[in-house]
Amino acid sequence: NAGVTQTPKFRVLKTGQSMTLLCAQDMNHEYMYWYRQDPGMGLRLIHYSVGEGTTAKGEVPDGYNVSRLKKQNFLLGLESAAPSQTSVYFCASSFLGVLANYGYTFGSGTRLTVV
Amino acid sequence: AQTVTQSQPEMSVQEAETVTLSCTYDTSESDYYLFWYKQPPSRQMILVIRQEAYKQQNATENRFSVNFQKAAKSFSLKISDSQLGDAAMYFCASGGGADGLTFGKGTHLIIQP
Repeated sequence: NAGVTQTPKFRVLKTGQSMTLLCAQDMNHEYMYWYRQDPGMGLRLIHYSVGEGTTAKGEVPDGYNVSRLKKQNFLLGLESAAPSQTSVYFCASSFLGVLANYGYTFGSGTRLTVV
Repeated sequence: AQTVTQSQPEMSVQEAETVTLSCTYDTSESDYYLFWYKQPPSRQMILVIRQEAYKQQNATENRFSVNFQKAAKSFSLKISDSQLGDAAMYFCASGGGADGLTFGKGTHLIIQP
């Protein structure tokens, strides 16, 4: 049972480069989320999706775009990377959202460094 | 908007002792859940315990228990008989809708052997 898989696990980008982080889940979850984790800041929500074809902004969406073309995949894109986007990125999924008391299943994270 | 505050950036406890991590939250949701997650050096986020806000009884999972004070919007985590494997970052989180969980900034727990 793979759960939530994030690729890549590590990446170094130069300022201005673009990249896409992939999150894949095999649990038929409706809800998917992208968070970033910075030292002393906890986890902050970037974007989320409540179903295939839908996306919404979270707390810190600037500089990121997302797509959910297939239910099992949630992509996070950086069009022009900046050093401020150096962070650890977590994807999470949930069957019916928090109120269903399922909480989240997290991926293992992607460490991104922008130089 | 929800806010979650963890006022202890770091805590230290002797092995086998009991430690309590504090968390306060603010939400406008009428129905919500509260969570504690553990993040060891492996970076993996591990669910420790969850509490439904409409339940008055405090949740318990083996050595982990919570003290949920709804009126005070307080949700502390007590770890009994601390073990070396409990050393990690601990995050408190609150959520009540589709827009996901709001996390605190975390408490770094150190276990002294």
